[in-house]
Amino acid sequence: KAGVTQTPRYLIKTRGQQVTLSCSPISGHRSVSWYQQTPGQGLQFLFEYFSETQRNKGNFPGRFSGRQFSNSRSEMNVSTLELGDSALYLCASSPNPVEGRETQYFGPGTRLLVL
Amino acid sequence: SQKIEQNSEALNIQEGKTATLTCNYTNYSPAYLQWYRQDPGRGPVFLLLIRENEKEKRKERLKVTFDTTLKQSLFHITASQPADSATYLCALLPYNQGGKLIFGQGTELSVKP
Repeated sequence: KAGVTQTPRYLIKTRGQQVTLSCSPISGHRSVSWYQQTPGQGLQFLFEYFSETQRNKGNFPGRFSGRQFSNSRSEMNVSTLELGDSALYLCASSPNPVEGRETQYFGPGTRLLVL
Repeated sequence: SQKIEQNSEALNIQEGKTATLTCNYTNYSPAYLQWYRQDPGRGPVFLLLIRENEKEKRKERLKVTFDTTLKQSLFHITASQPADSATYLCALLPYNQGGKLIFGQGTELSVKP
């Protein structure tokens, strides 16, 4: 099976712009979680989607949003980018949200740089 | 306040020795705790999970212990190899936190030949 794929892998934006990141989970996986990883804060949970519904949300401002499509692919959007949004954004998929977080499979991440 | 802490300093050990990494937490009630490996430029890879009612788990050269009284998990790699060099992350799933997985900052392990 192909692993979790994320596009794009690298992105450079300027402050005030918005960005959309994409994640394709492992075939058959219906739960997708997003994380932000920075040297200062480490890996922080953004949100989780299952069957096109957001099930859990981390402590991030409303500028961070996401959605999931019927084929389980997910996108996250960050509006009005700030310098502090520069980070590695990771997507993880799992078969289902009940036991799913017990076996999460991470993608390679999207490295976002905000100038 | 709630915290999950790992050794902030890098751990340097000689090949063949046992590496021991620590994960301490405060003010969480974890349903389980996980350990991941992360290589530079890559996403974390799941290694082991240990539940609150388990004391120890093993997988090949890996061993995890979980002490809910001390609020600590130890991660051991026996007969370490240079290929084990990576950053190791612990993560816990607390009860009553809406299903959010909480990660530590990670410990960088370097195994020298």
